[in-house]
Amino acid sequence: QKEVEQNSGPLSVPEGAIASLNCTYSDRGSQSFFWYRQYSGKSPELIMFIYSNGDKEDGRFTAQLNKASQYVSLLIRDSQPSDSATYLCAVYNAGNMLTFGGGTRLMVKP
Amino acid sequence: GAGVSQSPSNKVTEKGKDVELRCDPISGHTALYWYRQSLGQGLEFLIYFQGNSAPDKSGLPSDRFSAERTGGSVSTLTIQRTQQEDSAVYLCASSTGGVQETQYFGPGTRLLVL
Repeated sequence: QKEVEQNSGPLSVPEGAIASLNCTYSDRGSQSFFWYRQYSGKSPELIMFIYSNGDKEDGRFTAQLNKASQYVSLLIRDSQPSDSATYLCAVYNAGNMLTFGGGTRLMVKP
Repeated sequence: GAGVSQSPSNKVTEKGKDVELRCDPISGHTALYWYRQSLGQGLEFLIYFQGNSAPDKSGLPSDRFSAERTGGSVSTLTIQRTQQEDSAVYLCASSTGGVQETQYFGPGTRLLVL
């Protein structure tokens, strides 16, 4: 079983809709959770991080964390074609080792 | 300030040759990570440096891979006797070194082994 799991997609949403990206993790002791965006041929760039249960909002992005259910999600409101990318979920386990999911490819259609 | 830089951006080599990939972390960042990303795949952890501590080499796939970090700053990843399966993008990231801090990525080196 992979430590961090994501649906590979592609997830296709129309422009202006809400895109919902999900991630589950296996280590109950995980404390810190990150979402990175990766455009094709580029390196990952940080979108958001979340440490506490609940929601964290930053502009059009909302991260949601539920440690009891071991999932973290990213909502993108008013999706734009420029949001089309692969979204990587990453989780810190004990220490400073970050484990990445395989990523979900998002396609926002005009 | 400047972000993480990596060189070369692209490297084409022949099977059996050695290659060196370089990473310059963000100034002041004490933690440095190397990852490998094969086409269409997620990030595979290779090695982690924290300050002057011994590196965590648990992700290195074989003894052909090695890395060093000089003066707590620049790092070099060396792949000896390259194989075609080594073809991938090699990404370097750095962080402040605090517990579970954000990692910032460089642009990567795209390695192609013919």
